[in-house]
Amino acid sequence: DTAVSQTPKYLVTQMGNDKSIKCEQNLGHDTMYWYKQDSKKFLKIMFSYNNKELIINETVPNRFSPKSPDKAHLNLHINSLELGDSAVYFCASSQLGAGGLYFGPGTRLLVL
Amino acid sequence: GQQVMQIPQYQHVQEGEDFTTYCNSSTTLSNIQWYKQRPGGHPVFLIQLVKSGEVKKQKRLTFQFGEAKKNSSLHITATQTTDVGTYFCALGFMTTDSWGKLQFGAGTQVVVTP
Repeated sequence: DTAVSQTPKYLVTQMGNDKSIKCEQNLGHDTMYWYKQDSKKFLKIMFSYNNKELIINETVPNRFSPKSPDKAHLNLHINSLELGDSAVYFCASSQLGAGGLYFGPGTRLLVL
Repeated sequence: GQQVMQIPQYQHVQEGEDFTTYCNSSTTLSNIQWYKQRPGGHPVFLIQLVKSGEVKKQKRLTFQFGEAKKNSSLHITATQTTDVGTYFCALGFMTTDSWGKLQFGAGTQVVVTP
């Protein structure tokens, strides 16, 4: 049983397209996150939801829109994709204030 | 803003040797976490340190939190090829605007030669 799952695992698309990444966790955690990892492996938080409420919204272009339909799911929609959006996007979950983050396998996005 | 420095950026280790990676913060921390990411994989949570001067061990890994809660170290003894990967520290800050937010270090990329 996968604790945090993401789809798709790989995403290759043209500049200007719109794409979505989905994430689900079955750990019963109350908080979910989106992280971006660039080519230098730097991990930067983008968004966080606690019980479906947005609690962290970093300086991210508004082309990125997260959505949490329930506390087990967090999706990320990206409009008008740009070359600089190429990266690995990790979903993660945790019980806020109690322990570490559990990361999904990542979505490798390549914008051509 | 808060700054985090993780050193070294790269660590080339002979199998069987020990090495240490360090994480330093410009401000006092509420907690620090350590993660390991294998090549092509995702970060995996290793441990969380909360108390000043805390030392925790996991087999060959020893984690330490500084007395001033501004720095931490991860020491690995008798390195094995399975230790290959990037080790990240992640800092939890005390300020209310950082509540729930972890700031990751740049990572120490470890290569082990047999």
